[in-house]
Amino acid sequence: QQPVQSPQAVILREGEDAVINCSSSKALYSVHWYRQKHGEAPVFLMILLKGGEQKGHDKISASFNEKKQQSSLYLTASQLSYSGTYFCGTDFPQGGSEKLVFGKGMKLTVNP
Amino acid sequence: NAGVMQNPRHLVRRRGQEARLRCSPMKGHSHVYWYRQLPEEGLKFMVYLQKENIIDESGMPKERFSAEFPKEGPSILRIQQVVRGDSAAYFCASSLTGGTMTGYTFGSGTRLTVV
Repeated sequence: QQPVQSPQAVILREGEDAVINCSSSKALYSVHWYRQKHGEAPVFLMILLKGGEQKGHDKISASFNEKKQQSSLYLTASQLSYSGTYFCGTDFPQGGSEKLVFGKGMKLTVNP
Repeated sequence: NAGVMQNPRHLVRRRGQEARLRCSPMKGHSHVYWYRQLPEEGLKFMVYLQKENIIDESGMPKERFSAEFPKEGPSILRIQQVVRGDSAAYFCASSLTGGTMTGYTFGSGTRLTVV
């Protein structure tokens, strides 16, 4: 039941945009997005709970499709500080697994 | 607010020894999760605990691994008779409420090396 993330890795130049996808074969209860820099702790970015939801802050935003089977994270006008590995974490409704299952991550490298 | 505190940051153990990893959640958080991460891989769920209770240990190997979160003190992940395959980064996370309606706050992890 691990979500599938794509692409696996992206290299950008500063100012370029990126989209990271997170998919599940079954409807999800929630989707979390985290960023982890090398050797550091994952840092919470945002959570989506409702189908059709979109939210964001600054130049990082995310969406959750109506069927709640796919979420996308949008990085606009990327900065060097955006480099890291992005993970989505998901769980399923009905009886609540009550813990997040993470995808394998997407490694983003932003170059000057 | 000190955040989630994990110690030690690095731990080296010889094969057959015991490893004890500690996690103090954020102040006010009573839900703790342990995850294991291998190099270049994602976070694998191990166990979810509340104070004095194990809620879900479905990701934890049945032998050699145990976890607790006592009424007082930090949560402990204990690995007995460590083997080389136990080498990994172990992250602890805490949340204010149970379930997944709020984000997790992760600690900086303990990097276990078994030699």
